[in-house]
Amino acid sequence: AQSVTQLDSHVSVSEGTPVLLRCNYSSSYSPSLFWYVQHPNKGLQLLLKYTSAATLVKGINGFEAEFKKSETSFHLTKPSAHMSDAAEYFCVVSEMAETSYDKVIFGPGTSLSVIP
Amino acid sequence: NAGVTQTPKFQVLKTGQSMTLQCAQDMNHEYMSWYRQDPGMGLRLIHYSVGAGITDQGEVPNGYNVSRSTTEDFPLRLLSAAPSQTSVYFCASSQSRDGGFFGYTFGSGTRLTVV
Repeated sequence: AQSVTQLDSHVSVSEGTPVLLRCNYSSSYSPSLFWYVQHPNKGLQLLLKYTSAATLVKGINGFEAEFKKSETSFHLTKPSAHMSDAAEYFCVVSEMAETSYDKVIFGPGTSLSVIP
Repeated sequence: NAGVTQTPKFQVLKTGQSMTLQCAQDMNHEYMSWYRQDPGMGLRLIHYSVGAGITDQGEVPNGYNVSRSTTEDFPLRLLSAAPSQTSVYFCASSQSRDGGFFGYTFGSGTRLTVV
């Protein structure tokens, strides 16, 4: 069965230091993997997407994620945190289903705080 | 600006009342969906549509109804509101079943409180 685990419900980093948000998934097939960001009182915005073309995926705002099949992980990283990165981050798994709409599972989210 | 528009942004209902949450997109996306977001649970799929006239149930469909008469609009109806339906509701659209290259486009949400 599909599932998504975000290992930290809250992460706090200092401005200018690296960011690591962890995501592990389980999927019966070859999934598509996403990271979305949600700023306060806003909708979700796509950061990046993995679809088997390359294991290291670069997204917007300097974020990137590496797909590691052996570890079933898709951790999100950024070399240097900015104050504007403070938000909620969701890891998402999508796999083709027998229905006409892919089965999409959202992780519970990780809240990122950035300390000046 | 192109995107997904949700109305209203905030709503308070009394138990037993009904209402419709509106969702409209201007990107000609075939796929549209409704999610609810509850603390610590991520987003859960309520209903989805793969084109005008075609809808299906998601993970948590009970108490909700949808229709898709046009490509642009995908309203969500609460038939008889219950306190358990207090949540933030998001409408999303995409160009393909897996979200496509650009992923799902989300509206800014409707915060619903049922008292």
